[in-house]
Amino acid sequence: GAGVSQSPSNKVTEKGKDVELRCDPISGHTALYWYRQSLGQGLEFLIYFQGNSAPDKSGLPSDRFSAERTGGSVSTLTIQRTQQEDSAVYLCASSPEGGPPLHFGNGTRLTVT
Amino acid sequence: KQEVTQIPAALSVPEGENLVLNCSFTDSAIYNLQWFRQDPGKGLTSLLLIQSSQREQTSGRLNASLDKSSGRSTLYIAASQPGDSATYLCAVIGTAGNKLTFGGGTRVLVKP
Repeated sequence: GAGVSQSPSNKVTEKGKDVELRCDPISGHTALYWYRQSLGQGLEFLIYFQGNSAPDKSGLPSDRFSAERTGGSVSTLTIQRTQQEDSAVYLCASSPEGGPPLHFGNGTRLTVT
Repeated sequence: KQEVTQIPAALSVPEGENLVLNCSFTDSAIYNLQWFRQDPGKGLTSLLLIQSSQREQTSGRLNASLDKSSGRSTLYIAASQPGDSATYLCAVIGTAGNKLTFGGGTRVLVKP
């Protein structure tokens, strides 16, 4: 079946612009995660959605970052007023009920110039 | 705060040798541990999931052990092949929540 789909695969933007990154989880998966992978760094947790519960936003690095999940399916990660340090690969993952095993998408590579 | 460390950061071996990848974590109160593989420009592929009550899991040439009390896991890949070249990441979930905490990964190169 289809895996986790992320779009765009690559995004180049100018500093100060807003960007939206999209994630389509595996159908039926109730849990959805966003992670960030910076060059030379490990994966950094950003936000977690589980069903209709309030999302765990504890990993969002600043108030320029926000995410929503509509209808318990597709999720959008928005970064406002992008900065060069936001350049990274943004990975989305889903799982059937929260917790492993997680299934990851191929990520969106964001470059802020 | 949970911290996960993977040593070495990079490893190069000739084809046919066995690979041993190490993962250590500071808080032994984990729910489970997961090993992933990441190819360049790709997402993560789950390899093995070990529940906290288990000591090891096996899948084909892969075997992962877990020693929760000492905060260690080892991924063993037998008879390595060039196709095993990738970055291998371990991640743990603590008993308090659903977030995975990742190690920095070990970049493996298997030379033909």
